Amino acid sequence: SAVISQKPSRDICQRGTSLTIQCQVDSQVTMMFWYRQQPGQSLTLIATANQGSEATYESGFVIDKFPISRPNLTFSTLTVSNMSPEDSSIYLCSIGQGKTEAFFGQGTRLTVV
Amino acid sequence: ILNVEQSPQSLHVQEGDSTNFTCSFPSSNFYALHWYRWETAKSPEALFVMTLNGDEKKKGRISATLNTKEGYSYLYIKGSQPEDSATYLCAFWHEVGSYKLIFGSGTRLLVRP
Repeated sequence: SAVISQKPSRDICQRGTSLTIQCQVDSQVTMMFWYRQQPGQSLTLIATANQGSEATYESGFVIDKFPISRPNLTFSTLTVSNMSPEDSSIYLCSIGQGKTEAFFGQGTRLTVV
Repeated sequence: ILNVEQSPQSLHVQEGDSTNFTCSFPSSNFYALHWYRWETAKSPEALFVMTLNGDEKKKGRISATLNTKEGYSYLYIKGSQPEDSATYLCAFWHEVGSYKLIFGSGTRLLVRP
């Protein structure tokens, strides 16, 4: 198993500002995943963060809006930039893939006012 | 477009009732199907990862079946307890072109004492 520490757990932000979410894993992992769950919606993958290379973004998500850092094999950040109320969601980081279970951070509940 | 559908969207049952949920997913290029339980203010927690057609897995009062040919999985909870109240997510592991978990929107279960 793995332990992922994600922070902040929640925040209320003004529109137009940015928030950086951090995830720290207790072991080295190659791939980290960032998800978003908007109210009433599925968990949707934003991007995959690989150490030493640029993140791979899913359709509908762009680097300018959601810049990601992956400075080493245990840490990643996701920034939600120039926020609007539509960015109000739960954001989750995750590790694990394929035939093995995924592990998740505790989530960041973001409200943009 | 890869779609994972879950039904029902929400479910209210009495303590002691047995219940089941459905997850449907693409039947082509199957690799793995995951089930997670997500309690409010906690991380999603893996229940099962299923890979073979006909798989049946069990953990306590919770069990799951898998039909990869027709693209569905059932999750069963026997004798529901209030502590089973959570959102149950299924996710399809996609490995064609990109690697990612594609989640359904979940079934929100509320068990009344």
